[in-house]
Amino acid sequence: KAGVTQTPRYLIKTRGQQVTLSCSPISGHRSVSWYQQTPGQGLQFLFEYFSETQRNKGNFPGRFSGRQFSNSRSEMNVSTLELGDSALYLCASSYRETSTDTQYFGPGTRLTVL
Amino acid sequence: AQKVTQAQTEISVVEKEDVTLDCVYETRDTTYYLFWYKQPPSGELVFLIRRNSFDEQNEISGRYSWNFQKSTSSFNFTITASQVVDSAVYFCALSGTNTNAGKSTFGDGTTLTVKP
Repeated sequence: KAGVTQTPRYLIKTRGQQVTLSCSPISGHRSVSWYQQTPGQGLQFLFEYFSETQRNKGNFPGRFSGRQFSNSRSEMNVSTLELGDSALYLCASSYRETSTDTQYFGPGTRLTVL
Repeated sequence: AQKVTQAQTEISVVEKEDVTLDCVYETRDTTYYLFWYKQPPSGELVFLIRRNSFDEQNEISGRYSWNFQKSTSSFNFTITASQVVDSAVYFCALSGTNTNAGKSTFGDGTTLTVKP
């Protein structure tokens, strides 16, 4: 089976712009979670989607949003980018909800905000 | 709230030494899952092990072993006869099923460097 794929792998944006990141889960997986990884804050949970519904959300401002499509692919959007949004954004998929299942991670999208 | 503490920020060993990475967790959930992931320089987190709160049996997989002690809320990871390829950042994670359902919490990670 193909693993979790994320596009693009690298992205450079300027402050105030918006960005959309994409994640394709492992075939058959219905849960997709997003994480932000920075040197200062570590790995922080953004949100989880299961069967097109957002089930959980971390402590991030409303500028961070996401959605999941019927084929389980997910997108994450960040509006009005700030310098502090520079990070590695990781997507993870699992067959069941993340509370009971193992998550498999993609390679990440490295976002740089200038 | 749930919390995962990996007190060791960085560990450096020489090849063939054994090394233990510590993980201590806090949760109010009665049922929860613990995980270890490896993040090599390429950046992708690689799943190593999953353990539920009712299974306190230790596990061994090749050179890797895990010691889960519910009484001390610890889930430590030992690499026996370390190799240079083991150099990576290792994360311990906790996922609750009650009040913290779906919110996976990761420790800050331990950077392991294995020198030849």
